Amino acid sequence: EAGVTQFPSHSVIEKGQTVTLRCDPISGHDNLYWYRRVMGKEIKFLLHFVKESKQDESGMPNNRFLAERTGGTYSTLKVQPAELEDSGVYFCASSQDSPGDGNTIYFGEGSWLTVV
Amino acid sequence: SQQGEEDPQALSIQEGENATMNCSYKTSINNLQWYRQNSGRGLVHLILIRSNEREKHSGRLRVTLDTSKKSSSLLITASRAADTASYFCATVETSGSRLTFGEGTQLTVNP
Repeated sequence: EAGVTQFPSHSVIEKGQTVTLRCDPISGHDNLYWYRRVMGKEIKFLLHFVKESKQDESGMPNNRFLAERTGGTYSTLKVQPAELEDSGVYFCASSQDSPGDGNTIYFGEGSWLTVV
Repeated sequence: SQQGEEDPQALSIQEGENATMNCSYKTSINNLQWYRQNSGRGLVHLILIRSNEREKHSGRLRVTLDTSKKSSSLLITASRAADTASYFCATVETSGSRLTFGEGTQLTVNP
């Protein structure tokens, strides 16, 4: 079974440019999450999809970030325009059911973003 | 305030020694999970312990949970150089639907 896959694995862009990160969850997983770790700090929650609906987007830092999950399969996270402080690693994760039921959330390898 | 604070922030030991990392949290939880991140890689799920459990084992890993103190510990026995990584605890709050991570402990195992 394929795991959570993310693309690109690494991206270097200039301040002000746009970057779109893609995540393919494990097939059949309705729950999809985006997290990020900036500058070696804690891993912070960004948002949670259940199928195509945004269940919780309270962690999105500002309106430069836009996440979509059309059709309830893969998801994209767009940063426009990118700022220096957006540099970090963006993790996508998926789970079949809620982690509150003790279900494991599976993480991808991350998309490492550097804004210069 | 931070949910899931790890202690210590960094730990350096010799191969073969045991490593203990602690995690504290602030809210009522459904379960607590430990993850590992090797340098430049993704997060790997290590172990999950539910709020009604006190201890759990998986190979060389031993996790304890004390809900009265809102704390957990991860013990890695007979450490190996390959255990060098960042270790994170993450909590799922009661009726929550997401993981909340701490800042992690950077473990270095010297050969």
